[in-house]
Amino acid sequence: QVQLQESGPGLVKPSQTLSLTCTVSGVSITSGGYYWTWIRQLPGKGLEWIGYIYYSGSIHYNPSLRSRVHISIDTSKNHFSLKLSSVTAADTAVYYCARRTSGYYHVDSWGQGTLVTVSS
Amino acid sequence: EVVLTQSPGTLSLSPGERATLSCRTSQSVSSSYIAWYQQKPGQAPRLLIYGASSRATGIPDRFSGSGSGTDFTLTISRLEPEDFAVYYCQQYGNSPKLTFGGGTKVEIK
Repeated sequence: QVQLQESGPGLVKPSQTLSLTCTVSGVSITSGGYYWTWIRQLPGKGLEWIGYIYYSGSIHYNPSLRSRVHISIDTSKNHFSLKLSSVTAADTAVYYCARRTSGYYHVDSWGQGTLVTVSS
Repeated sequence: EVVLTQSPGTLSLSPGERATLSCRTSQSVSSSYIAWYQQKPGQAPRLLIYGASSRATGIPDRFSGSGSGTDFTLTISRLEPEDFAVYYCQQYGNSPKLTFGGGTKVEIK
């Protein structure tokens, strides 16, 4: 059974870069068949898809965030990462890593989420 | 971009009652592309329904999904105490790939 765990700083200063890592266990990130996904939830709000990456390197980003987002995979550590640059208070959110299975159109596994606050 | 509108925003019901949640899309979408999630406070969302009507593994049969075109529905036949939560619909599209509705909160009356 796959497990996903987010890690990274809980506090980021405005204009800096938010960096998070998702460690995957129970399945190889290179086994194929999965899109490794980042989703965020603004305080008291709904869910926003940030982007996802396939093990081959194919990446899709939300157009609303594309200019500031970078998602990458580290196969040696079986994890994938998110970088969001030039953050503002509007980027304060719970960030989830998750998995979408190729051939399906939903997210079937989620990490527990990590709160990132943007504040000086 | 396809916009998902969920209604009502809040549903106040008693345990044992039937809950009917609506998700309308701004354009017609394939039923294969619609999913529903449940989220409780402090927890990650949990997949309930995919392909508009297929229950995810371990989901009780009191949860059912239906719909086509632009109108999709999540029904909880008899509310259990653990079903009081927020529910989101989600669709898969061209760009952005995944979009979510604003959510419906099912609260105890």
